[in-house]
Amino acid sequence: AQSVSQHNHHVILSEAASLELGCNYSYGGTVNLFWYVQYPGQHLQLLLKYFSGDPLVKGIKGFEAEFIKSKFSFNLRKPSVQWSDTAEYFCAVNRQTGANNLFFGTGTRLTVIP
Amino acid sequence: NAGVTQTPKFQVLKTGQSMTLQCAQDMNHEYMSWYRQDPGMGLRLIHYSVGAGITDQGEVPNGYNVSRSTTEDFPLRLLSAAPSQTSVYFCASRDRTSGGLNTGELFFGEGSRLTVL
Repeated sequence: AQSVSQHNHHVILSEAASLELGCNYSYGGTVNLFWYVQYPGQHLQLLLKYFSGDPLVKGIKGFEAEFIKSKFSFNLRKPSVQWSDTAEYFCAVNRQTGANNLFFGTGTRLTVIP
Repeated sequence: NAGVTQTPKFQVLKTGQSMTLQCAQDMNHEYMSWYRQDPGMGLRLIHYSVGAGITDQGEVPNGYNVSRSTTEDFPLRLLSAAPSQTSVYFCASRDRTSGGLNTGELFFGEGSRLTVL
């Protein structure tokens, strides 16, 4: 069965620290990979996505993620976090063909201390 | 564009009551879905639809019904609410696949917070 694992449940950083959030998936076939962000009290918004090509993808607000196929990973990074990055981050995966339903990890809550 | 609109934003029910969460999108998206979000469990797919007249079950469909009579609307019905259905519900939609491959992102509504007493 497909699964998405986010091992960091809650990460606390000071402003300007570097961020890396882990995401591993178990999924057969060719996949799309996404990172969504949910700011407090808001709905989910797309940060970035990968479906083919360069495995290093850049998203909004200075975020990037690297797809490593051999490790089934899609880790999210940001060199220097800001207080406004405080949010919950979700990794998600779907197949490129078939039902294409999106499956989410359990999320990582990021708290950035000013 | 309004995008994906959900109503109501908040609702309190008593056990056994029924209600419908409404979802409408104005982007002419073929695919629509409902998720529930619970602490520590991420988002779990309840039901989805790949077009008008077509619906299917997701990971956690028990206790919920859906219908898709139009492209725009995808209501979620709770037939007999239970405390275990206390959650935040998100509706999401996506454009059709391109060239047989789905690479599109999901667009989410703002959520409906449901409390069942």
